Formats: sequence, structure tokens, C-alpha cells
Amino acid sequence: DVKVTQSSRYLVKRTGEKVFLECVQDMDHENMFWYRQDPGLGLRLIYFSYDVKMKEKGDIPEGYSVSREKKERFSLILESASTNQTSMYLCASSATGTGWYEQYFGPGTRLTVT
Amino acid sequence: SQQGEEDPQALSIQEGENATMNCSYKTSINNLQWYRQNSGRGLVHLILIRSNEREKHSGRLRVTLDTSKKSSSLLITASRAADTASYFCATDWAGANSKLTFGKGITLSVRP
Repeated sequence: DVKVTQSSRYLVKRTGEKVFLECVQDMDHENMFWYRQDPGLGLRLIYFSYDVKMKEKGDIPEGYSVSREKKERFSLILESASTNQTSMYLCASSATGTGWYEQYFGPGTRLTVT
Repeated sequence: SQQGEEDPQALSIQEGENATMNCSYKTSINNLQWYRQNSGRGLVHLILIRSNEREKHSGRLRVTLDTSKKSSSLLITASRAADTASYFCATDWAGANSKLTFGKGITLSVRP
């Protein structure tokens, strides 16, 4: 059974803290993604990675960075958390190749910045 | 923006009825996918339809794609209370390099 796991379901941090969100997939997928989901805005892509040590900005990268040192792990970093980063964060992974592939999502991390 | 737009934003039906949800998009696509999200959880892939396909079935799900109108519909037949969730369409537009663009979602409530 394919699996994407995220390090925390709920997280509460203070303004200015450095925050790490971890995502691990066990499907040997090349692509990994970080989204944030806010009411009325849907899912917005923050960053994605198509290979180890490779990353590409999504639609809203400001205030975030990412790290992918191993194929199975993709980390989202909030260098200095702010209240407007309070959101649901979703990690996903997908295979790549000549076909078209669905994304597999983790359960999400609901982050509150106070 | 290439973001798909779902219609309606919210839908409430009685158990046993059919639910039809629509999605429109703006640019040429490789494929269109539908996902479901139960409250407070991650998204689950439901079905993928390629740009050269017009209709696809999976259990109680039927998806159609009209590339001339840049639109898709998701039909859930004989709905159940367990179908209550948010539904998202996502497009893999040409040149997107494996990225998907999600719509804002449709909230479906199925009353027992």
C-alpha cells in the first residue's frame, strides 16, 4: 500500500520561529510537492522537486524553502514563521515518465502560528 | 492562471441521488484528474482522463472531458453519505513538467 507520511498532524509555533515540516514517501517516486490549502483558495503549490537536490519554485514560494537530500524525503522550511503562514500543509509525490501519473497525498499538517 | 474552476461551489443532495460536478479550465492539457478530500485529510486520487479520451468510468464514477469546451464533469451515481467530501479537479497542462493545477473544490453533502 502506497504511503506518504508527514511528521505532524497538528503544529503550533510562535512568530519568528524556524519551522520544519517533513514528508516521507515509500513509493520511490521522483517527484515531490508541497502545497498549502486555505479556505476559498484551494491548493496552491509552494515548491516541488523532481529529483534529489533539485527544486523548483511553485506559485507561492515566498517565505519558504525546501530540502531534498534523499529521494524519499522532502522537507519544507519556514525560516521565520509568520501568522499569515497559518494553514494546512499538504505533501504529495508522483512518479514520472512517459505516462501521466496521479499524485499521492499525505494526511496534511495543520500549522498554527501565534 | 491555468487553475481549473469547479461548479457549483457546494452541492447538497439526498442519498441515492446522482451528483454532477463540473470543472472548466483555460489552457491545453495533457490530462485532467479528479480528487476527493474528506474533512481535515489529504487528497485521494479518484480518476484520470487523458486529453484524447472523452469518457471514463470507475465504479460509480463517470468522468467526461470536452477539450473543445475546456470542461469536464464528474458524475457520482447512487450517492451515499460516505461520499460527503470536497472534490477537486486538477489539470496537468502542457508544459507543466508533472505539476498539477488544482481548482478550489466543490463541497458535496449527501444527506442520509
